[in-house]
Amino acid sequence: AQKITQTQPGMFVQEKEAVTLDCTYDTSDPSYGLFWYKQPSSGEMIFLIYQGSYDQQNATEGRYSLNFQKARKSANLVISASQLGDSAMYFCAMREGLSRDDKIIFGKGTRLHILP
Amino acid sequence: GAVVSQHPSWVICKSGTSVKIECRSLDFQATTMFWYRQFPKQSLMLMATSNEGSKATYEQGVEKDKFLINHASLTLSTLTVTSAHPEDSSFYICSVSTGVPGMGDTQYFGPGTRLTVL
Repeated sequence: AQKITQTQPGMFVQEKEAVTLDCTYDTSDPSYGLFWYKQPSSGEMIFLIYQGSYDQQNATEGRYSLNFQKARKSANLVISASQLGDSAMYFCAMREGLSRDDKIIFGKGTRLHILP
Repeated sequence: GAVVSQHPSWVICKSGTSVKIECRSLDFQATTMFWYRQFPKQSLMLMATSNEGSKATYEQGVEKDKFLINHASLTLSTLTVTSAHPEDSSFYICSVSTGVPGMGDTQYFGPGTRLTVL
């Protein structure tokens, strides 16, 4: 069974609009971490934001925020005021356990296109 | 600045040859590194967890004799694709976890190595 589900294979959004990328996860471990990464066409994986399962508040990093709905097992990424440079592939990922040595698994990704 | 480096960034080789890919953590010591593979238009698939001073832990379905991992120091892990074949052509990415104050143990990725086997 998939542990990370990203239901939007692709999205088109007008520049300056806010974007929400969906991510649901499945785990029975009470300790876990959730990540979002951006992968532009160059291939590099750029870390965007992290949310720990015990964190009380939603994580925010500049224009990125993570809408963490623990009961629904949802960790959507919100990008405010989208820019052309936001066009890329976005991956949601989960680490079961909170140790840095625990492995991270990825969803299938969402390709975001920002329209001028 | 970059936290993780990989070398080479791309390589083309003939079928049957072996290719070594290096992954270095630049700013810190890493007892654990991870190797991923990404085929075109697909997600990252974890291949193995590289442990300094001990054997790597391979994911199910990954041939350990074909993908040799050596983690001889706290800053270097190598992945050797032995007897490469065209189906091994892929984007190979390594990552390292490091503690970032206030952000949990974030995993940073190298820039990746694109392998093409002819």
